[in-house]
Amino acid sequence: GAVVSQHPSWVICKSGTSVKIECRSLDFQATTMFWYRQFPKQSLMLMATSNEGSKATYEQGVEKDKFLINHASLTLSTLTVTSAHPEDSSFYICSARGDREAEQYFGPGTRLTVT
Amino acid sequence: GQNIDQPTEMTATEGAIVQINCTYQTSGFNGLFWYQQHAGEAPTFLSYNVLDGLEEKGRFSSFLSRSKGYSYLLLKELQMKDSASYLCAVFNQAGTALIFGKGTTLSVSS
Repeated sequence: GAVVSQHPSWVICKSGTSVKIECRSLDFQATTMFWYRQFPKQSLMLMATSNEGSKATYEQGVEKDKFLINHASLTLSTLTVTSAHPEDSSFYICSARGDREAEQYFGPGTRLTVT
Repeated sequence: GQNIDQPTEMTATEGAIVQINCTYQTSGFNGLFWYQQHAGEAPTFLSYNVLDGLEEKGRFSSFLSRSKGYSYLLLKELQMKDSASYLCAVFNQAGTALIFGKGTTLSVSS
């Protein structure tokens, strides 16, 4: 099956700093990538949908100026958490989909801890 | 909008069969997915149903009834490694991204 990677797998940062998370599709071209957030013992919450070369579509309640998404190529999307706060600590998971299928392939996730 | 309901927790013993139900309400249906997620890991794909009926894939089967807004995931010959969270998902209103239910945590004991 298709492979999606994320980097870093975990990160600890201080409050007020910014953190960038990368999501890459390794063996297919991802026309659409998705960013989810998951708090402990809760389900995945969709944050935004990004299409290559265009602005991301954010879900209601997600601050687009705080969670910057860039989908510059068909294999790379980045999520930057700006001015991070402890409440942003979570498991961030990206997924990607090609243009001819319904299935989304998930990356391994990035655990962010803001101190 | 989308609404997905699943039981929060289920328990079963090794070798048994368990059925995890999912009911959904969605404006515009483009298929239903089941994913498995172990603690601290990303979800892995199990099945995708777009037409009514049962689809079997090894020990796992998934059923869909579009008229009832209902699906189930059937796990046979349970193994300890099947202890995980099972997530039911449908497409969002735009038909672009998956919206997940809260998941069912399955605990398999010996």
